[in-house]
Amino acid sequence: NAGVTQTPKFRILKIGQSMTLQCAQDMNHNYMYWYRQDPGMGLKLIYYSVGAGITDKGEVPNGYNVSRSTTEDFPLRLELAAPSQTSVYFCASTPSFEINYGYTFGSGTRLTVV
Amino acid sequence: AQSVTQLDSQVPVFEEAPVELRCNYSSSVSVYLFWYVQYPNQGLQLLLKYLSGSTLVKGINGFEAEFNKSQTSFHLRKPSVHISDTAEYFCAVIRTGTASKLTFGTGTRLQVTL
Repeated sequence: NAGVTQTPKFRILKIGQSMTLQCAQDMNHNYMYWYRQDPGMGLKLIYYSVGAGITDKGEVPNGYNVSRSTTEDFPLRLELAAPSQTSVYFCASTPSFEINYGYTFGSGTRLTVV
Repeated sequence: AQSVTQLDSQVPVFEEAPVELRCNYSSSVSVYLFWYVQYPNQGLQLLLKYLSGSTLVKGINGFEAEFNKSQTSFHLRKPSVHISDTAEYFCAVIRTGTASKLTFGTGTRLQVTL
């Protein structure tokens, strides 16, 4: 089992460029999440999805978009990169709200916007 | 809404000494509580969780935590730390019985030295 796979691991973007952070899980989990981690700030929820075709905003959604066309994939889109989006991005998943399992996290994508 | 406070941003400790990482939460409803560990350049890994039952919860790598409802705390402890325990530790909370989302604290950096 690969778990949660995030690509790329590192990326440098110029201001105004766009990119998609990929997240895939092979555990048939319904719930998927995108968090960003900034030093001293913990993890902030950007978007989440409770199943294919269903997404919703988290705490800090501005500047991002998501889609969930399949159970496995939950890509995060940055349309116009800004320096404030420099961060480490984590994708996570869980089977349902039976949270006995906790969340399974990917290894992260470190993004720098210059 | 729920919130988590980790008062200590950094905790330095000598190897083989005991350690306690503090976590306090705020919620008007019942919650589940978690501790996650993040090793350098890695994703988050579940250490332990409190769902119900015994207030003393044992996790991986010799860590344990105690749920104290009256003090709204969930402190993490280890009687003897090892160099390999050097990492960032996050406390997290989620409402029970709903499809809500994990809310994380800002993290505590545990630095173990010889």
